[in-house]
Amino acid sequence: DAEITQSPRHKITETGRQVTLACHQTWNHNNMFWYRQDLGHGLRLIHYSYGVQDTNKGEVSDGYSVSRSNTEDLPLTLESAASSQTSVYFCASSDRGVQDGELFFGEGSRLTVL
Amino acid sequence: SQQGEEDPQALSIQEGENATMNCSYKTSINNLQWYRQNSGRGLVHLILIRSNEREKHSGRLRVTLDTSKKSSSLLITASRAADTASYFCATGFGNEKLTFGTGTRLTIIP
Repeated sequence: DAEITQSPRHKITETGRQVTLACHQTWNHNNMFWYRQDLGHGLRLIHYSYGVQDTNKGEVSDGYSVSRSNTEDLPLTLESAASSQTSVYFCASSDRGVQDGELFFGEGSRLTVL
Repeated sequence: SQQGEEDPQALSIQEGENATMNCSYKTSINNLQWYRQNSGRGLVHLILIRSNEREKHSGRLRVTLDTSKKSSSLLITASRAADTASYFCATGFGNEKLTFGTGTRLTIIP
């Protein structure tokens, strides 16, 4: 069955370190998204991509970057982790524009920055 | 900032009762979607209602949309313990990304 997987599921790192969260989907979806989820804020969009070589900033993109070299993967990189980036990160994908289709979410990556 | 705001923030009901949660949003939309999130898991899509629709059903779920009031409601009938989860509304406009609310935490008491 097609799926979307995130790794690692849990990670503890130190302030200032670079961290990469992986997201891999096997649906061949063009659209991929990264959200962070924090208590009291719901889900906030970090970055998104509508296809290979396409990346766009979301509402909370500072300190994060993504790259899209193939359809299946959208890794999220924290260049220099900060305690404010402690959160649960969700990757999602879709095959249609948001006016038509649903998002399929991964199980999340819980990141703790000490 | 969130486009959608769910109400109430938390809701506890007895198993078998109906659960109603509401979502209000601020700007024009093309569609509104509802998602469920079980504790420690990713979000799962429940239902999508387009701006030209007023009501939609899926199993025990009933969603209404009132674009004049910029609001939507999700009704879960005959609730079960497995319905315990957080529920989020999400709005989409044009080809813009979905914007999520902060969610309603639903607890079904056996």
